[in-house]
Amino acid sequence: RKEVEQDPGPFNVPEGATVAFNCTYSNSASQSFFWYRQDCRKEPKLLMSVYSSGNEDGRFTAQLNRASQYISLLIRDSKLSDSATYLCVVNPRMKTSYDKVIFGPGTSLSVIP
Amino acid sequence: NAGVTQTPKFRVLKTGQSMTLLCAQDMNHEYMYWYRQDPGMGLRLIHYSVGEGTTAKGEVPDGYNVSRLKKQNFLLGLESAAPSQTSVYFCASNPDGSLAYGYTFGSGTRLTVV
Repeated sequence: RKEVEQDPGPFNVPEGATVAFNCTYSNSASQSFFWYRQDCRKEPKLLMSVYSSGNEDGRFTAQLNRASQYISLLIRDSKLSDSATYLCVVNPRMKTSYDKVIFGPGTSLSVIP
Repeated sequence: NAGVTQTPKFRVLKTGQSMTLLCAQDMNHEYMYWYRQDPGMGLRLIHYSVGEGTTAKGEVPDGYNVSRLKKQNFLLGLESAAPSQTSVYFCASNPDGSLAYGYTFGSGTRLTVV
C-alpha cells in the first residue's frame, strides 16, 4: 500500500455542485495534514491545513478521520475557477519532518459550465 | 515581491549532458527544497537545505547534486543527464521548516532528456 493515496479522478462536476475528495494515509502516527491546490502547469499552493476538529474556509471544508486514516476536502458551490488538481500532504512524524513530508499524487477536478 | 524564482523554465538536454537549475528566493527563508514531479506520482524530495552552507539528501538524490553558498540561492545540478530525469522540477522554500506556513514553490522547470 502506498503511503498516501488519492483517487486520481478526473472528477467532472457542474458549476454549483458539491464535490468531495478523500486521501488515505498508511502511517497511523501521522500528525499533520494539508491540502494543496495545483493549477495546470503551475506550482502547488497551500489551500488549507487540516485540523483534528475539522476546519472550514469559505466554500472549502477539510476533515480528518484518524480511525479510518483519511482526510477529506469538501468543496461546496463549485466554481469554474476551482478546476485544478488537489494534492494531499501528510507529515508522518510527531515533529516537523521537512524531509519526510509526503505529497499525494493528486485528484483532478474539472468544473464544467 | 518575486517569492521563489526558478531558471530556466524549460530545457531539453541530450543524454550525458550536464546542467544547473537555479532557484532564488527573496523572502529570507532558511529552508529550501528541490522536488521532482512525475505523472501519477506525488512530488518527491531530491535534496534540501536548512540554511546557508548546508545541504542534505532527500528521497531521490541519485544523479543530482546541490549547493547553497548564499542563503537566497539553491542550485540543483545534473552531472550526466539520463532520460529517467525527464521531469518537472520545483524549488520550494519555507521560513523555518514549520509546515504550518506551507511551502512557497517556484513556477517549475520542465526538463526533457533525450
